[in-house]
Amino acid sequence: GDSVTQMEGPVTLSEEAFLTINCTYTATGYPSLFWYVQYPGEGLQLLLKATKADDKGSNKGFEATYRKETTSFHLEKGSVQVSDSAVYFCALRNSGNTPLVFGKGTRLSVIA
Amino acid sequence: EAGVAQSPRYKIIEKRQSVAFWCNPISGHATLYWYQQILGQGPKLLIQFQNNGVVDDSQLPKDRFSAERLKGVDSTLKIQPAKLEDSAVYLCASSRLDSTGELFFGEGSRLTVL
Repeated sequence: GDSVTQMEGPVTLSEEAFLTINCTYTATGYPSLFWYVQYPGEGLQLLLKATKADDKGSNKGFEATYRKETTSFHLEKGSVQVSDSAVYFCALRNSGNTPLVFGKGTRLSVIA
Repeated sequence: EAGVAQSPRYKIIEKRQSVAFWCNPISGHATLYWYQQILGQGPKLLIQFQNNGVVDDSQLPKDRFSAERLKGVDSTLKIQPAKLEDSAVYLCASSRLDSTGELFFGEGSRLTVL
């Protein structure tokens, strides 16, 4: 079945450091790919998405590129802030009205 | 627009007791999902509704879990009897029928089974 693998956390970075969170997927067909974020005490919210190969999703300084050849969707940010501290989930959704399949999540802590 | 509403936010029960969670999706969203998120893991789908019909309940432990969405709007998830391993956050999400993929999540209901 479809699955998502993302790097284990926790990840601890200093403010203004570069962030990469790796995500790879296994799926039949051509899924849409997502990054969701969960801030402390809040619900999951969409961070960015890409619906086809070579698409780049971006939001709040975060970026991820849909790489079909490597089945990856790595999340990057050039300069993290303390307010980026959260748990990040990579997810995929295959064609049709199918549910999201999530990775295990990566906890990011940014220290000043 | 109002977001996905869930209640209660927190619930503590003894094993073998029952519990029910309620979800009201975003107005106009035909598809509703219940996910289970165990500490340290990603959300796992329990059941998906489209309007008031079940689309996917293959991962719902039907011997103890049940869910309904009678009028195609709000939904209830019930656990009876609860086990220790049911301790988790129960997330409700909704999406439009023609959605390109984004699901909108509620804040979740945290269940602790003692």
